[in-house]
Amino acid sequence: SQTIHQWPATLVQPVGSPLSLECTVEGTSNPNLYWYRQAAGRGLQLLFYSVGIGQISSEVPQNLSASRPQDRQFILSSKKLLLSDSGFYLCAWSQDSRNEQFFGPGTRLTVL
Amino acid sequence: AQSVSQHNHHVILSEAASLELGCNYSYGGTVNLFWYVQYPGQHLQLLLKYFSGDPLVKGIKGFEAEFIKSKFSFNLRKPSVQWSDTAEYFCAVTSGTYKYIFGTGTRLKVLA
Repeated sequence: SQTIHQWPATLVQPVGSPLSLECTVEGTSNPNLYWYRQAAGRGLQLLFYSVGIGQISSEVPQNLSASRPQDRQFILSSKKLLLSDSGFYLCAWSQDSRNEQFFGPGTRLTVL
Repeated sequence: AQSVSQHNHHVILSEAASLELGCNYSYGGTVNLFWYVQYPGQHLQLLLKYFSGDPLVKGIKGFEAEFIKSKFSFNLRKPSVQWSDTAEYFCAVTSGTYKYIFGTGTRLKVLA
């Protein structure tokens, strides 16, 4: 069966520090991978998606970037965090562009 | 641009009451529709989905949803809610472009 992992689960970082959140998927190959930010009352905001290694599509221009160095690994990064980057970040995968997505447990990021 | 509207942001019901959560989307082409649920402290998980065929779809835990194409709606229903249905519910749509659009979510609280 497929599983999706995210780490760390929680993270507290100072403003201006770098960020690296990791997501890995097991039990499937060539998944579509997604990064979302979930904010209370605002639903899920799509940040990035990837349909293959090295292929990244950005949905919202901001202080974050994403990379996919391996088929089942998706990384969310920032060189310098802002206070507004605080939030709950979710990784998800789907087998194709029309089927349901499967979500990871999320990372709670607090920028101080 | 595609969008999904969930008009009920907070719903409070007593046990055994009937539930209907509204979801409307804006897209004129073929869509796949989903309802996800997030129980307190748990991952987002799929409740039910519609791809084609019978517009009345049944999901887990007694939930169902009806796709009404003419109204661009995909409302979620349950005849009799339980305390354990307390959760946040998200409607989502995809049109096969790798992007999934989520609504802002509805927080349901069921009073025992």
